[in-house]
Amino acid sequence: SQELEQSPQSLIVQEGKNLTINCTSSKTLYGLYWYKQKYGEGLIFLMMLQKGGEEKSHEKITAKLDEKKQQSSLHITASQPSHAGIYLCGAGRDDKIIFGKGTRLHILP
Amino acid sequence: GAGVSQSPSNKVTEKGKDVELRCDPISGHTALYWYRQSLGQGLEFLIYFQGNSAPDKSGLPSDRFSAERTGGSVSTLTIQRTQQEDSAVYLCASSLLRPFSGGELFFGEGSRLTVL
Repeated sequence: SQELEQSPQSLIVQEGKNLTINCTSSKTLYGLYWYKQKYGEGLIFLMMLQKGGEEKSHEKITAKLDEKKQQSSLHITASQPSHAGIYLCGAGRDDKIIFGKGTRLHILP
Repeated sequence: GAGVSQSPSNKVTEKGKDVELRCDPISGHTALYWYRQSLGQGLEFLIYFQGNSAPDKSGLPSDRFSAERTGGSVSTLTIQRTQQEDSAVYLCASSLLRPFSGGELFFGEGSRLTVL
């Protein structure tokens, strides 16, 4: 089974609406990464969370880490077409990062 | 260049042929990673280099896959006797710090491999 589960797998929202993507780990989280991938392109680093309870924001994107629940959430406020893409969470494991399968986000104008 | 560079960007090959994919990491980045992204499968870890050595090859799917890194810089991923299931986007990433030290990975744009 997948070590990192993301939900939902796919999401369609109206422009201007808020949305949340979740990432749950079956193992203890020592570091949680969020990346964004535009269709057909490479991955862009969004943010990294290391401590339980940590919360980071960049523009309209906020990520939180709940270490006890082994979960992280990514929240987008007032979504825009530029937010469309695939969001991947990754967990630090030894010297590498393993990733979930991603959440495909579509924004309707 | 400023970012991670991968070549070729697209490769179409016939089943049974060998292919080589190249990755130029960001200058000074000692860690280099190869991942594979298949439709519906997410990002699959293949191999990790620290300098020229590969402490973790656990993700290589079969002995047809190999990788090397020379001079602590350029890396080549070689797939021998390609099969149709090898069709995927192969992504390379480099980092200055290891993930447990809070290092982020910088990704290239990938090499899309299609095996006919």
